[in-house]
Amino acid sequence: ETGVTQTPRHLVMGMTNKKSLKCEQHLGHNAMYWYKQSAKKPLELMFVYNFKEQTENNSVPSRFSPECPNSSHLFLHLHTLQPEDSALYLCASSLSTGLRREIGELFFGEGSRLTVL
Amino acid sequence: GQQLNQSPQSMFIQEGEDVSMNCTSSSIFNTWLWYKQDPGEGPVLLIALYKAGELTSNGRLTAQFGITRKDSFLNISASIPSDVGIYFCAGQLVGGSQGNLIFGKGTKLSVKP
Repeated sequence: ETGVTQTPRHLVMGMTNKKSLKCEQHLGHNAMYWYKQSAKKPLELMFVYNFKEQTENNSVPSRFSPECPNSSHLFLHLHTLQPEDSALYLCASSLSTGLRREIGELFFGEGSRLTVL
Repeated sequence: GQQLNQSPQSMFIQEGEDVSMNCTSSSIFNTWLWYKQDPGEGPVLLIALYKAGELTSNGRLTAQFGITRKDSFLNISASIPSDVGIYFCAGQLVGGSQGNLIFGKGTKLSVKP
């Protein structure tokens, strides 16, 4: 069983739908991340939350809206997506001291495969 | 943006052979991580490197942080069928922000029994 759990594993939605991806980590970490993985492209960082505070928004369109209610849970709210947003969305967590900009080791979930019709 | 050049893009090898892949960049990194991703799964951390010149092993896997801090390699010895997957390097730039790892495009490994 992975320490980082993502649901749903697969999601198909229309461009007018509103849906959410959920991530939960059981590792006692305090930093959580959303990454996007598209075919033929490197993983792209979307958002970083450190101690529940958003510390990074990597120029992500506003149709993606993250929410981090506590250090163990992370959501990605989706609305009015485009077909080019179809991808594997990966959640990750790490242990951060919050004192300096060290990376820590990222532990990934299994991903949510999103298809936008 | 910053890029990591990971090579080779794919490898087809016979079981028992050794494998070598690497990542290079024109930028300096303070951390190198190697991940493996199986189909339909998320990346799993294999090895983490934090100092220039560091050589670290994890079973049949060995990775090194290049002296120039601009490259890293991963070796797999005596490959077995379960080594099949996509291997990614990832690095954090000196002065880079938290979580902002730069990922390579991956090396797809196929092992023929």
